[in-house]
Amino acid sequence: AQSVAQPEDQVNVAEGNPLTVKCTYSVSGNPYLFWYVQYPNRGLQFLLKYITGDNLVKGSYGFEAEFNKSQTSFHLKKPSALVSDSALYFCAVRASEAGGYNKLIFGAGTRLAVHP
Amino acid sequence: DTAVSQTPKYLVTQMGNDKSIKCEQNLGHDTMYWYKQDSKKFLKIMFSYNNKELIINETVPNRFSPKSPDKAHLNLHINSLELGDSAVYFCASSQDGWTGSRWELFFGEGSRLTVL
Repeated sequence: AQSVAQPEDQVNVAEGNPLTVKCTYSVSGNPYLFWYVQYPNRGLQFLLKYITGDNLVKGSYGFEAEFNKSQTSFHLKKPSALVSDSALYFCAVRASEAGGYNKLIFGAGTRLAVHP
Repeated sequence: DTAVSQTPKYLVTQMGNDKSIKCEQNLGHDTMYWYKQDSKKFLKIMFSYNNKELIINETVPNRFSPKSPDKAHLNLHINSLELGDSAVYFCASSQDGWTGSRWELFFGEGSRLTVL
């Protein structure tokens, strides 16, 4: 079965420092991986995705993620954190159902707190 | 224009009542979803419809009945509400005819249901 793990409930980082939010996955076949962000009382916003190609994927708001097949990881990174980056971050994997339909399976989420 | 819109945004009701949440997408997608986010922020898929046909049903109590009058709308009706139904319900859409590199989910802002 496809699954995603986010081992950290919360990540704390000082503004201006680099940040990493960790994600590992378990899939059969090639992984289609996603990061979404949720600000308080808002829906989920797409940040970036890995389908194929370069292992370093660049996304919105200066975020990037590194796909590592040998470690089955897809960590989210940003070189310099902003207080406004404070939010809930979800890693997800695309799973295919019978008939070729798709759904996203989400990790438990990691709360990022950026302190001034 | 909002791509995926849900109404109502907030819903407070008593146990035993019946309530509905509506969702509309103006992206021209053919697949729509309902996800539930519980109090611990965990996101889990409930249903998916493709062109008005139910394609994913994830072991949800039959008190929950989705209805898709057309491919742009997916409503969620809940009978005999229970305390445990309190959650944020997210609608989402995608286009499953896309090639893998284009596929992603677009989410609404969520509908927060509180059952007293």
